[in-house]
Amino acid sequence: GEDVEQSLFLSVREGDSSVINCTYTDSSSTYLYWYKQEPGAGLQLLTYIFSNMDMKQDQRLTVLLNKKDKHLSLRIADTQTGDSAIYFCAARNTPLVFGKGTRLSVIA
Amino acid sequence: KAGVTQTPRYLIKTRGQQVTLSCSPISGHRSVSWYQQTPGQGLQFLFEYFSETQRNKGNFPGRFSGRQFSNSRSEMNVSTLELGDSALYLCASNIDPQETQYFGPGTRLLVL
Repeated sequence: GEDVEQSLFLSVREGDSSVINCTYTDSSSTYLYWYKQEPGAGLQLLTYIFSNMDMKQDQRLTVLLNKKDKHLSLRIADTQTGDSAIYFCAARNTPLVFGKGTRLSVIA
Repeated sequence: KAGVTQTPRYLIKTRGQQVTLSCSPISGHRSVSWYQQTPGQGLQFLFEYFSETQRNKGNFPGRFSGRQFSNSRSEMNVSTLELGDSALYLCASNIDPQETQYFGPGTRLLVL
């Protein structure tokens, strides 16, 4: 089955860019998602990319997809303290398969 | 449009008891999925329902069961609770199983 891997921690300074990386194994995954989870809360959908796209930009968020390497990244421009949270990468191949999450800490 | 709602938000039970969690999807969404989130195992898929039928089931024991009603609301039940069932249980809804899932705030279950 699908396996999704992410690094566990990332620390950046306020105003810098953050890049969160993810790899997946099943090339038949149709959609790839990024969700954000703040303490004590559910998952908030940030953005997603269809598997036939290379890049998607949505305000401060840029998603890059390298299908050959099965590598997905999320770039957050001008990172703010409010961006501190856990970010989950997920691959859609019925059902949704999640990585373990990357904890982003933003230092003021 | 209101988001996915889950009740109750918090629950404390003792070993051996049973529990029922409820999920109301976004209006118009006919598919509901349930996930268990624990610090050790992360997010694990429990089940997926569409039009009152279970489409997929994760690798959980038979103590975990669910159902979906004609109004798309869903419930999951855990019988004979174990300490390891302590977790955040998340419900997600989508228009149909191929579309993007939107999550509720979760029900935090503590088993003592």
